[in-house]
Amino acid sequence: KQEVTQIPAALSVPEGENLVLNCSFTDSAIYNLQWFRQDPGKGLTSLLLIQSSQREQTSGRLNASLDKSSGRSTLYIAASQPGDSATYLCATGSNYQLIWGAGTKLIIKP
Amino acid sequence: GAGVSQSPSNKVTEKGKDVELRCDPISGHTALYWYRQRLGQGLEFLIYFQGNSAPDKSGLPSDRFSAERTGESVSTLTIQRTQQEDSAVYLCASSLVTGGTYEQYFGPGTRLTVT
Repeated sequence: KQEVTQIPAALSVPEGENLVLNCSFTDSAIYNLQWFRQDPGKGLTSLLLIQSSQREQTSGRLNASLDKSSGRSTLYIAASQPGDSATYLCATGSNYQLIWGAGTKLIIKP
Repeated sequence: GAGVSQSPSNKVTEKGKDVELRCDPISGHTALYWYRQRLGQGLEFLIYFQGNSAPDKSGLPSDRFSAERTGESVSTLTIQRTQQEDSAVYLCASSLVTGGTYEQYFGPGTRLTVT
């Protein structure tokens, strides 16, 4: 049974720092891995989707990597800004049914 | 509209009452998903609709939960005889199903509080 873990549960860093969020999964037979951002009262926003055949995806200041063999994905945020404050969730699965981590709550201090 | 919409945004109900939550997916999206998110936890899959196929109901936690979808449009999630443990945010998502990619787009959720 697939299990997804995100560490740390919460992270607070000063504005401008680069940071890495971690996501690990137990079953490497995945179709893709997705990173989402969750803002209070606004649902989830898809940030990056990495197909199982890919190693990384980039969007602006965000870079997500995928290492299926080790069961890990990282989300790298460059030059963090206060607007990046949110909960970041990763999710993966072998089909349409995603298994979710509990999220990392990120606070960027001005 | 351009995105997934859900109503109501908040619902407070008394234990034992029935509630109905609504989801309007993005037009043209054949797949629709319902999730539950308890405070401080990740999302739990509840049910998946894809076109005219039989829905995947494997995530529904009890027979008090049911969902319907009319064609490829609106879906309703019904919880009968609500319990306090049903308190959560209920999220709906929709997606295209192309080449095996199921990139999901989420609505803002319905926060359900059972008193």
